[in-house]
Amino acid sequence: AQKVTQAQTEISVVEKEDVTLDCVYETRDTTYYLFWYKQPPSGELVFLIRRNSFDEQNEISGRYSWNFQKSTSSFNFTITASQVVDSAVYFCALSEARYSSASKIIFGSGTRLSIRP
Amino acid sequence: EAGVVQSPRYKIIEKKQPVAFWCNPISGHNTLYWYRQNLGQGPELLIRYENEEAVDDSQLPKDRFSAERLKGVDSTLKIQPAELGDSAVYLCASSLGGVSYEQFFGPGTRLTVL
Repeated sequence: AQKVTQAQTEISVVEKEDVTLDCVYETRDTTYYLFWYKQPPSGELVFLIRRNSFDEQNEISGRYSWNFQKSTSSFNFTITASQVVDSAVYFCALSEARYSSASKIIFGSGTRLSIRP
Repeated sequence: EAGVVQSPRYKIIEKKQPVAFWCNPISGHNTLYWYRQNLGQGPELLIRYENEEAVDDSQLPKDRFSAERLKGVDSTLKIQPAELGDSAVYLCASSLGGVSYEQFFGPGTRLTVL
């Protein structure tokens, strides 16, 4: 069965600190996709990144970076030099790429990140 | 390009009343999702459409919830009758084709059942 665990319910750091949000997943499929979404106080979820199970290359986008490790079933998200605008709830999600009607998507419970000035 | 549109943004009803939510996805997106998000939790999928076909409704409480996506474009989610536990934010999302693609979310409808 699918499962996505975001063990950190809340994180609070001071601005300019680096912070890592953990995501651990479970799946029996060999082909799957991992996602991160941001939900700012306004409420609308915003897509950040998608990764497929065959691409373990780490990705960097500005101050954001993602570390995908199949060996530990983790897809962690790091924000470097955090800013107040990074304050939001961050969700990790997993989808299994089976034939259409059997595909499943599941979200983690989220990590609330607060950046203090 | 317009994003996912949802209406209404807020709805307050008394228990046992019916309620309906509307969603218009991004143009060209074949896949449409309805989620329920309770306070402090992640989105929980209620139903997923591929064009006009509901391909995953395993988490939809079918005794009181129904949904339709006529013509494979916009969609309506209905609750009848509403219960106190239905209070949540109802999110609509769309993607280009299936769960392998990133989803674009609407602003949600915040439902309060009194």
